[in-house]
Amino acid sequence: QKEVEQNSGPLSVPEGAIASLNCTYSDRGSQSFFWYRQYSGKSPELIMSIYSNGDKEDGRFTAQLNKASQYVSLLIRDSQPSDSATYLCAVYHNAGKSTFGDGTTLTVKP
Amino acid sequence: EPEVTQTPSHQVTQMGQEVILRCVPISNHLYFYWYRQILGQKVEFLVSFYNNEISEKSEIFDDQFSVERPDGSNFTLKIRSTKLEDSAMYFCASSAGGLAGATYEQYFGPGTRLTVT
Repeated sequence: QKEVEQNSGPLSVPEGAIASLNCTYSDRGSQSFFWYRQYSGKSPELIMSIYSNGDKEDGRFTAQLNKASQYVSLLIRDSQPSDSATYLCAVYHNAGKSTFGDGTTLTVKP
Repeated sequence: EPEVTQTPSHQVTQMGQEVILRCVPISNHLYFYWYRQILGQKVEFLVSFYNNEISEKSEIFDDQFSVERPDGSNFTLKIRSTKLEDSAMYFCASSAGGLAGATYEQYFGPGTRLTVT
């Protein structure tokens, strides 16, 4: 079992729709969870962090965390073509190690 | 806005040569990290560094790799004898850390593309 698993892509949504990205993790002791966006040939860009169960909203982005189910998700509302990128789920473990998922490639079609 | 910088942007080296990749983390951050991403693959953790010592490292980070903070601003990754399979994008990241009010949110530099021939 992978330590961090993301829903297989690619994911394609029409402009204005909601994009839903999912991630599960295996380390039950993990406390910090992050979503990054990575455009092709660029470095990961932090878009959301979440530390406690529930929802966290920031503009068009909502992160959801359920530690009991070891599940993290990212919703992107009113998707724009500029949101087309690979989205990376990352789990932070103790002492500084982070594990990234393989990423889900999102395409938003105009 | 503060950002992580990395030099060079692209490094070409011959197999067996030593390379040093350089990073300047965000100035008030306490944790520093190196990751690598082989073309088309996932981002892989290499090492984390705090208080002038390694706090965690992955299986990838073997004796060929070392990190150093030679002064108050730079953070370096050295690969002693490069192999073809070391060809990848290397990212440096930093975070404020776990002190009160600080977080482990990691901010990435633009990366150094290492090509080993």
